[in-house]
Amino acid sequence: AQSVTQLDSHVSVSEGTPVLLRCNYSSSYSPSLFWYVQHPNKGLQLLLKYTSAATLVKGINGFEAEFKKSETSFHLTKPSAHMSDAAEYFCVVTPKGGATNKLIFGTGTLLAVQP
Amino acid sequence: SAVISQKPSRDICQRGTSLTIQCQVDSQVTMMFWYRQQPGQSLTLIATANQGSEATYESGFVIDKFPISRPNLTFSTLTVSNMSPEDSSIYLCSVGASGRNEQFFGPGTRLTVL
Repeated sequence: AQSVTQLDSHVSVSEGTPVLLRCNYSSSYSPSLFWYVQHPNKGLQLLLKYTSAATLVKGINGFEAEFKKSETSFHLTKPSAHMSDAAEYFCVVTPKGGATNKLIFGTGTLLAVQP
Repeated sequence: SAVISQKPSRDICQRGTSLTIQCQVDSQVTMMFWYRQQPGQSLTLIATANQGSEATYESGFVIDKFPISRPNLTFSTLTVSNMSPEDSSIYLCSVGASGRNEQFFGPGTRLTVL
């Protein structure tokens, strides 16, 4: 079975400081992993994805994530937070070799950025 | 990526009534999905909308409560039937990217049931 655990429900950073949003996964198959962002009253936007190419994945808006199989982690980082980064972030897994395109969502991390 | 629209964007409904949500995509897609996001919660897959056949429902969701139509490769509807306040949620449709397993999401329909 596949699952993701987002270790922090809320993260607060100051503008200009680094962002770290943590995600651990569990998958019977070689997984595909994604980070989606949801801004208030807006739909979900794909930030980045890992599908077994490079383990360090770069996404939009300066975000990146590193796939670490030994740690079963896929943490999202950004060197310098911007006020516009305040949103909810979801770590998502789907089994790459599985028979479905079913996405399994984590519980989300709400990122607050303080001025 | 596909452009996805949903109607209505929001609605306030009375207990016991039904609401049909529409999802329109600007290109033909094979896979369409419906999700529910309850207040303060993550997304849960309701069902996969299959073109030309019955939808495939996830555990805990049934056709009588959430009937789904998929008449063609660009359109789907989700009906929330006999609503109760517990059905107050954001309902999102998504489409699968051809040849890839990420999904693209519509803007959502925010439903409040009184």
